[in-house]
Parts: sequence; C-alpha cells; structure tokens
Amino acid sequence: GAVVSQHPSWVICKSGTSVKIECRSLDFQATTMFWYRQFPKQSLMLMATSNEGSKATYEQGVEKDKFLINHASLTLSTLTVTSAHPEDSSFYICSARDKGSYNSPLHFGNGTRLTVT
Amino acid sequence: AQSVTQLGSHVSVSEGALVLLRCNYSSSVPPYLFWYVQYPNQGLQLLLKYTTGATLVKGINGFEAEFKKSETSFHLTKPSAHMSDAAEYFCAVSGSGGGYNKLIFGAGTRLAVHP
Repeated sequence: GAVVSQHPSWVICKSGTSVKIECRSLDFQATTMFWYRQFPKQSLMLMATSNEGSKATYEQGVEKDKFLINHASLTLSTLTVTSAHPEDSSFYICSARDKGSYNSPLHFGNGTRLTVT
Repeated sequence: AQSVTQLGSHVSVSEGALVLLRCNYSSSVPPYLFWYVQYPNQGLQLLLKYTTGATLVKGINGFEAEFKKSETSFHLTKPSAHMSDAAEYFCAVSGSGGGYNKLIFGAGTRLAVHP
C-alpha cells in the first residue's frame, strides 16, 4: 500500500532555532500534501495545504512566516518551524494523496514530535 | 462548512464486548466520511471510508460503520473488542468540494479495552 514517510520521528531543539520536518510519499506521487498539528490528547488541526510547485495554502490563524512549507517535488514536502518557541512543541503529522487517483484516500505519516526547550 | 462531533471522549469496554463509537457530522454537500485509528506516537491509519453506494461499510480489523443520512451519523462498531483495539479513534469528514480534499476531524475517542 501507499506509504508516507516522515522524518525525523522526534526532535528536540533549543528555543530560537529552526527545525525542518520532511514528508515523503514513497511509492506514489502527490501533488497535494497536508500538514496537521496535534496537541496532547486532542484532535488534528489542519495547518496548511502544500501544493507542488506553488505556494502553500494556510489555515486561518496559522503564521505562514513561522511555519514555512515547501513542496518542491511530487514526492517531498517540508515544514520548517522557524525561530521555534516552547509553545511550538507539538506532534506534527503530514498526509498525502496519490495524484493518480482523485478518489484515493489520504495516507498519513507517522508524525514528528517536536520539543522546544 | 463541515464539522464532526464525536460523542464520548473516552469509551471503556471489556474484551469480547461490543464496541460502539459515535460520530455525527454536519456537511453542506454530500459527505465523504472516514474513521481513522491512531496508536500512541504514531500517525493515522484508515479503518474505513464511506463515499457513495452501500451505506454499511466494512473496514479492517473487523470494524464497520453505517452511514445514516437522516441521522447525520456514521457510528463505528465492532462486535467483539480485542485488547489490541485500544487506541484513539477519529471520525472525519471531507472538506469543501467533497472528494478527498482536506479532512475535518472530530475530537477523537479514546477506546480502552479491559480484560
């Protein structure tokens, strides 16, 4: 089945530094990927929609300059948390859909747990 | 706009008992509905989905769900709970435009299974 790989699975960084999270579709091409954020014991909140070859679409309330998204190829989207602060600590999950099938379901990565100290 | 309400943030059942996780949705267009399961520190795994056609949908691990338009519900059931079913379950509805566009998730229901 379709696999979405997310890297790293966990990361600890110091306040003020930037962290990059990668999301790769391993056996399919994805024109669209989605980035979610999940706080402890809460649901997933959509942060942005990553579009291959164009700018990401951010949800209301999400700072685009803080959460930089790049979707440079059909198999890779990256989320960079810039100037991270402790309140950015969270579980970040990406998802992707096979571009070859409009009706294919979303496939999720295993998530990245970010801890900012 | 779409929204999902999951009734009961925690559900506890005995092993072998019926599992019932409730989900109600709101959608201005014909919805696509999904159930996902999440194990600790992992992403989401699709259990089953409803798009069109048969309203009773069977998924993996013995789960099934029934789409009831009149009740705007999509409850998840499993006849006999197993210890390995303990996890967080999310109901989701497709966003604007239908299809499999961005998903709107419910708050989740944590299922505990006791021996």
